[in-house]
Amino acid sequence: SQQGEEDPQALSIQEGENATMNCSYKTSINNLQWYRQNSGRGLVHLILIRSNEREKHSGRLRVTLDTSKKSSSLLITASRAADTASYFCATDASTNTGNQFYFGTGTSLTVIP
Amino acid sequence: DAGVIQSPRHEVTEMGQEVTLRCKPISGHNSLFWYRQTMMRGLELLIYFNNNVPIDDSGMPEDRFSAKMPNASFSTLKIQPSEPRDSAVYFCASTMGGRTSNQPQHFGDGTRLSIL
Repeated sequence: SQQGEEDPQALSIQEGENATMNCSYKTSINNLQWYRQNSGRGLVHLILIRSNEREKHSGRLRVTLDTSKKSSSLLITASRAADTASYFCATDASTNTGNQFYFGTGTSLTVIP
Repeated sequence: DAGVIQSPRHEVTEMGQEVTLRCKPISGHNSLFWYRQTMMRGLELLIYFNNNVPIDDSGMPEDRFSAKMPNASFSTLKIQPSEPRDSAVYFCASTMGGRTSNQPQHFGDGTRLSIL
């Protein structure tokens, strides 16, 4: 399966601290996306990084991609209580049965005020 | 932009009953996805439509599940007969350009389905 695996499964930090979560995947990808899911809501797209990019920023978010290690990380700086949510990576990969899009298992982030 | 609209938000029914979930994608989006989310299995793609045509239904668990998209603004996911193991949150998402485009998927807030 191409499904990404997030690490850690759960993370609890104090407000103001940085939060880092990682995603590993199995096969070559075209791009990788990160999504956030607040409790009881749908997923919301955060950022997309292409396979030829190594780093991307959006506000307090920083995403890195290491295709040689088949991994990506999402860094949230100066965390806020409102960042409490689950975070998922999603990979877009070419397979012998056509292109496939998979979501990972998610990291549950709790930011303590 | 109203976003992806799903109905109902919650559904509780007894096993054996027919369940119909509804989705209105974002206007102008040509791809629609149905997902199922559970604690055990995470987020699973059930079926993917492009230009109202089912392209990949390999994730549909069994014949009890069916999905239709009669036009660009409406899709349904039907379970008949329903079973307790179908209990999950079902999400609809839409995007422009297809499954592997560089466009993000936009999700509805889901239907929380409980089969007793």
